[in-house]
Amino acid sequence: EVQLLESGGDLVQPGGSLRLSCAASGFSFSSYAMNWVRQAPGRGLEWVSIISPGDSTYYADSVKGRFTISRDNSKNTLFLQMDSLRPEDTAVYYCARDRGNWDANFDYWGQGTLVTVSS
Amino acid sequence: EVVLTQSPATLSLSPGERATLSCRASQSIRSYLAWYQQKPGQPPRLLIFDASNRAAGIPARFSGSGSGTDFSLTISRLEPEDFAVYYCQQSSNWPPITFGQGTRLEIK
Repeated sequence: EVQLLESGGDLVQPGGSLRLSCAASGFSFSSYAMNWVRQAPGRGLEWVSIISPGDSTYYADSVKGRFTISRDNSKNTLFLQMDSLRPEDTAVYYCARDRGNWDANFDYWGQGTLVTVSS
Repeated sequence: EVVLTQSPATLSLSPGERATLSCRASQSIRSYLAWYQQKPGQPPRLLIFDASNRAAGIPARFSGSGSGTDFSLTISRLEPEDFAVYYCQQSSNWPPITFGQGTRLEIK
């Protein structure tokens, strides 16, 4: 059974940093692209970043230069390093598996972890 | 950036009725459109990919159609568990990967 479990969400002050993790199980993690998607309270979905099996990365303009996606295939874990956080980064952050072949659809999602940026 | 516009914002229907949700892209995205269902407090669930292909485990009452800029999601006969928010998402021209703003399907 595919499982994705996010952790690391917290309350952080503007300008602060946070590192999110997503532990994956039940599939060959190293073979799949992985994503972060976020959802501000009461709002819609916003794609944040994607990383390929070969570590190619892309970002939404809203986080480019502040967030860094990475993966540790030996530990089946996806990361999101978030720096220079802003109040508008407040959201539930989901990790989501790419359906396959770099097709940018998301077939499995974690339950999410809440990041709150506030003073 | 491809902008996806969903309509209507809210759809009020009764169980057993047919639901049709629309998604329009700001430029052609061929057939690279997916649909997701999200219930309160839950992550989204993939329903349809490549405009018309049902994801694994999705009931046959869900169907997708369209290509180019105009797409639709149809639920043939609404079940109580189908009342949720639905999002479309394009994977044709990225980055960025973009979502529509959502359609809330509520019980009438």
